[in-house]
Amino acid sequence: EDKVVQSPLSLVVHEGDTVTLNCSYEVTNFRSLLWYKQEKKAPTFLFMLTSSGIEKKSGRLSSILDKKELSSILNITATQTGDSAIYLCAVRVGGGTSYGKLTFGQGTILTVHP
Amino acid sequence: DAGVIQSPRHEVTEMGQEVTLRCKPISGHNSLFWYRQTMMRGLELLIYFNNNVPIDDSGMPEDRFSAKMPNASFSTLKIQPSEPRDSAVYFCASSPRDSTDTQYFGPGTRLTVL
Repeated sequence: EDKVVQSPLSLVVHEGDTVTLNCSYEVTNFRSLLWYKQEKKAPTFLFMLTSSGIEKKSGRLSSILDKKELSSILNITATQTGDSAIYLCAVRVGGGTSYGKLTFGQGTILTVHP
Repeated sequence: DAGVIQSPRHEVTEMGQEVTLRCKPISGHNSLFWYRQTMMRGLELLIYFNNNVPIDDSGMPEDRFSAKMPNASFSTLKIQPSEPRDSAVYFCASSPRDSTDTQYFGPGTRLTVL
């Protein structure tokens, strides 16, 4: 059974801190790893990673995949209260372009205090 | 551009009643996914369609759940009869042809079964 595990499950920091969220996976036929941010509504897409060692960056957020270690990290620098959310990691598995099945981790709840 | 549209946004019903959730994917997207999210189990994939055909329904909890996609612009998820443990937020998501592996989520339907 495909498995995606995130850590920590929850994290409380103060504005300005840097945080690192972890995602590890055990799946068959890995295709890509995705990060989502979920506030009080639907998940919104952050990053998609397919190749090891190539950092994706968007503002204060960055992410990198390590296929050897079957893991990924999501970094947020200079955190702001608006970063408070659930961060979801998902792994896409399957073969062929018609497959899009995502297996999600349980999420990391990030709370940023002013 | 309109995103994924779901209706209703909130549904409150009594145990034993039939519930139908509706989804309109983003125009041009050829994959559609139904998810359920609860505090206990997180985000779970229920079923996904590719080109209107169900590809994987292994996540559908039991026979009370059924999903259809009669055309490229409409899908339904039906629960009959509903039970209190079905209370959750149900998300629909779609992804484009030659997918970049990203799925675009609708706002969700919050279902409460009394």
